Amino acid sequence: EAQVTQNPRYLITVTGKKLTVTCSQNMNHEYMSWYRQDPGLGLRQIYYSMNVEVTDKGDVPEGYKVSRKEKRNFPLILESPSPNQTSLYFCASSPLTEIFNYGYTFGSGTRLTVV
Amino acid sequence: LAKTTQPISMDSYEGQEVNITCSHNNIATNDYITWYQQFPSQGPRFIIQGYKTKVTNEVASLFIPADRKSSTLSLPRVSLSDTAVYYCLVGPSGGYQKVTFGTGTKLQVIP
Repeated sequence: EAQVTQNPRYLITVTGKKLTVTCSQNMNHEYMSWYRQDPGLGLRQIYYSMNVEVTDKGDVPEGYKVSRKEKRNFPLILESPSPNQTSLYFCASSPLTEIFNYGYTFGSGTRLTVV
Repeated sequence: LAKTTQPISMDSYEGQEVNITCSHNNIATNDYITWYQQFPSQGPRFIIQGYKTKVTNEVASLFIPADRKSSTLSLPRVSLSDTAVYYCLVGPSGGYQKVTFGTGTKLQVIP
């Protein structure tokens, strides 16, 4: 089944403890992206990647890192999480030429709480 | 990418047709218009996409006037399960830039 898999689904952590949220897709998509969703603010893009070793900042990259060493994986790294990073996170992927044609495939989300 | 403007929320009774309009005044010649649906705690999913005039699929219709500065998503005979947030996106088919979803339109279907 074609899908984007995020792990974990739920995570509670403490301020300053490094964490990684994994994202993997099995569709050979070039384009991958991370979003965070907060009440009243919609979906905001954190980072995106057009292909292996090619990443760029979205609208809210501060406090996050990403890497794209393999085509299928695009982990989101929080080196020193803070409470304002408590949010619902989504990973998405798409063929590079079809982002606005048939769109993204989204993962199921990761609900992160930083205390 | 073109900036989009949608109503924040809408209410509708079951069985009615719902029209959600999106404004995109600075749409570019090679931009497509795509609508997504998002249920609570789930990722958005693609509904429909168009370039001009009218597009219809099994879920919705998309109306785009000749000037393409706006578009209307039409959901026929909504049910309670259509309660969701609907996002309008505008961008090129070969998009490789930032993709902004905005805040969307929260549709509440009332029994």
